[in-house]
Amino acid sequence: ILNVEQSPQSLHVQEGDSTNFTCSFPSSNFYALHWYRWETAKSPEALFVMTLNGDEKKKGRISATLNTKEGYSYLYIKGSQPEDSATYLCAFRPQGAQKLVFGQGTRLTINP
Amino acid sequence: EAQVTQNPRYLITVTGKKLTVTCSQNMNHEYMSWYRQDPGLGLRQIYYSMNVEVTDKGDVPEGYKVSRKEKRNFPLILESPSPNQTSLYFCASSLSGGSHRGYTFGSGTRLTVV
Repeated sequence: ILNVEQSPQSLHVQEGDSTNFTCSFPSSNFYALHWYRWETAKSPEALFVMTLNGDEKKKGRISATLNTKEGYSYLYIKGSQPEDSATYLCAFRPQGAQKLVFGQGTRLTINP
Repeated sequence: EAQVTQNPRYLITVTGKKLTVTCSQNMNHEYMSWYRQDPGLGLRQIYYSMNVEVTDKGDVPEGYKVSRKEKRNFPLILESPSPNQTSLYFCASSLSGGSHRGYTFGSGTRLTVV
């Protein structure tokens, strides 16, 4: 059974602070690692798709890193804003599988 | 606007009454998939389709059927819904199964079976 773990499960951060959270996935049979942002009552939106060990991707104040050898990815948010409040999902795609295996998500709340 | 459209958004039904949740995408994507989301669990794949007339089971297919007669549509059918199928359902599509662009998700269908 493939297991994707995200930590922490929830996080409260002051506006303006920077934060990061973790996604752990199987280090074997890797194809891709996805990050999604999911706001309440909306649909998940793709942030990053990462495929190579050592990949770093950035979109505005959000960035992500990937370590496929040890099976983890970090998502960083710099200078958190209230609009960053959402659940952040990571998903692992194994080689040869036509699916994503999702973690439970990290629910981020930014306090003004 | 490029999007995945799911209907209905909310549905309350009774045990055993057949229902269909529709999913349509306007991006000419080959790959489409259904997921369910339950409290404390990550999204789990129900069925997926690589192209027209090509469908396959995901991790939790029991109690569900799908069809892919046209590229844009991928309906999810519950022939005899049961309370354990109460869940939040998402349809998703991507250019191909191996696309590096990520999935586009529909807005979700919250189903309650009583």
